Amino acid sequence: NAGVTQTPKFQVLKTGQSMTLQCAQDMNHNSMYWYRQDPGMGLRLIYYSASEGTTDKGEVPNGYNVSRLNKREFSLRLESAAPSQTSVYFCATGETGQKNIQYFGAGTRLSVL
Amino acid sequence: AQRVTQPEKLLSVFKGAPVELKCNYSYSGSPELFWYVQYSRQRLQLLLRHISRESIKGFTADLNKGETSFHLKKPFAQEEDSAMYYCALRSLGKLIFGQGTTLQVKP
Repeated sequence: NAGVTQTPKFQVLKTGQSMTLQCAQDMNHNSMYWYRQDPGMGLRLIYYSASEGTTDKGEVPNGYNVSRLNKREFSLRLESAAPSQTSVYFCATGETGQKNIQYFGAGTRLSVL
Repeated sequence: AQRVTQPEKLLSVFKGAPVELKCNYSYSGSPELFWYVQYSRQRLQLLLRHISRESIKGFTADLNKGETSFHLKKPFAQEEDSAMYYCALRSLGKLIFGQGTTLQVKP
């Protein structure tokens, strides 16, 4: 029972390159989220998916796209990476209903040169 | 607009001293608030939520609607409490996080 699994753990890109961050969960949660974590800025929501087949923009969606492939998987794509996208990216899943708790992956540390 | 503010980037205390990590929020409606913690080399995890009115690892947090605050408190800090702490507000199925406070407990 891995919970929330993110791959890769680390990545270095050159400006303009593309990549996809993968997230998979085995918690059977409907909701999934992508955040970025920057010093002094806290966690900011990039995109989220309330259920399979739906995605919505969060606070900082520019430069990113997402795919909710199925209930388990939610990927984040950078089409043309920029140095401003250097960050730590977290995927999370959420319970619906009364608990409203989110469970986080271990993070992907991305550097864009 | 919904917002969460943690005014302190870093809070440094000695072991055994009381700790209070501040969190203020802006929300029109009945707020649902959480504290999440990230220990070194570990993933972010829920510490406590105001609905449960629980004490976890000696930490408590009381929602004060008059002051729009949800400060996290512990009477006697331990070295293992050193971590990054985030206050979060639930809004429309999403969490809005504060900027985070690093708690450093010195021996």
